[in-house]
Amino acid sequence: DAKTTQPTSMDCAEGRAANLPCNHSTISGNEYVYWYRQIHSQGPQYIIHGLKNNETNEMASLIITEDRKSSTLILPHATLRDTAVYYCIVRAWYNNNDMRFGAGTRLTVKP
Amino acid sequence: KAGVTQTPRYLIKTRGQQVTLSCSPISGHRSVSWYQQTPGQGLQFLFEYFSETQRNKGNFPGRFSGRQFSNSRSEMNVSTLELGDSALYLCASSWGLGGGGIEAFFGQGTRLTVV
Repeated sequence: DAKTTQPTSMDCAEGRAANLPCNHSTISGNEYVYWYRQIHSQGPQYIIHGLKNNETNEMASLIITEDRKSSTLILPHATLRDTAVYYCIVRAWYNNNDMRFGAGTRLTVKP
Repeated sequence: KAGVTQTPRYLIKTRGQQVTLSCSPISGHRSVSWYQQTPGQGLQFLFEYFSETQRNKGNFPGRFSGRQFSNSRSEMNVSTLELGDSALYLCASSWGLGGGGIEAFFGQGTRLTVV
């Protein structure tokens, strides 16, 4: 079962930062936070992951709270192509490929 | 580098038949997992294979099975198809096990329709 809670939907204006929250209050010490997105029934696309430090890559930034019970995915300058369902997943370090998805957040970027 | 390749992309089968789906992971990746996605249940984990051995299994009936070959390619089989098996079946690959957070990469999926 999914161990995360996300808002069902969010809107964001094109060019603005999109901040997607995720609650994972039961996360354990050996679990990472992963973010994927899925655009229109294509295969999910990996975005970023982290353990306890904030992470940044070319796509996004991940901010994890100090107690690790929640995190925020930040898309710094959202474009229309970022419209997708975003999934936050908690996964133990040894479970590379066993991911339990929740319902995700449907992000709509508007012009 | 080629991505995860799933074949076929689309498939229509009749109730009671069986079906085999194929997944070729990214070169060098040894772990392959399968997921089922339906509008009602969302994305659900089916099973994971590493070095030809099933490591984890989700909560699906025994009609769903899989295997992995020595070249890491994987197949999943669904026997005695039911209408509710209509779904997008996704395959994901990653390079190994453990050692910290490792990302998995998904294929485009096989859309199975059971009529």
